[in-house]
Amino acid sequence: GAGVSQSPSNKVTEKGKDVELRCDPISGHTALYWYRQRLGQGLEFLIYFQGNSAPDKSGLPSDRFSAERTGESVSTLTIQRTQQEDSAVYLCASSFDRDNEQFFGPGTRLTVL
Amino acid sequence: GQQLNQSPQSMFIQEGEDVSMNCTSSSIFNTWLWYKQEPGEGPVLLIALYKAGELTSNGRLTAQFGITRKDSFLNISASIPSDVGIYFCAGRKKTSGSRLTFGEGTQLTVNP
Repeated sequence: GAGVSQSPSNKVTEKGKDVELRCDPISGHTALYWYRQRLGQGLEFLIYFQGNSAPDKSGLPSDRFSAERTGESVSTLTIQRTQQEDSAVYLCASSFDRDNEQFFGPGTRLTVL
Repeated sequence: GQQLNQSPQSMFIQEGEDVSMNCTSSSIFNTWLWYKQEPGEGPVLLIALYKAGELTSNGRLTAQFGITRKDSFLNISASIPSDVGIYFCAGRKKTSGSRLTFGEGTQLTVNP
């Protein structure tokens, strides 16, 4: 595709359930990033992938959060045992290489009831 | 996590007016970026600054990388209704690899 795509665009889940969010980066981009954006706030860095490995996962808020990337392409962010404070928009970005411009997807809006 | 201090939080202006917003930090950043976000979309890069003191323009937008490396500002001249959105500053440090640190955003409303 022409840009970064994310799915689903919206996800409503019950507290305690697991959710999986998907990111399809721009083809050929080796770097991939996940950010969280709470309502009315800026973006918080979660994790960075270079290829399929994650040299920086220091932004993951707890061990309930994990992410993987396969084939130097698609990435999934998994949140286990969701809590209400996990409600936010989760944004994915990709760049040709680290330190190049990051292009953002439209985000997945997660609501935990 | 650490965020940049961005001000103002919101602005309500008349079409044609100029706008200025800024970001400050207690620590040094090596790259400053300005993004615009519209509802339901991800942020889009407007201007990137790589050197202290650098002044860069993109159409009606002008941004500067502060000499101290701890601040940056964005000016929009002759605002138009489509300038409406949330503007974010972001910084990158050499010691933080590729991660970006974002400000909390400036919500801009332009009245026609």
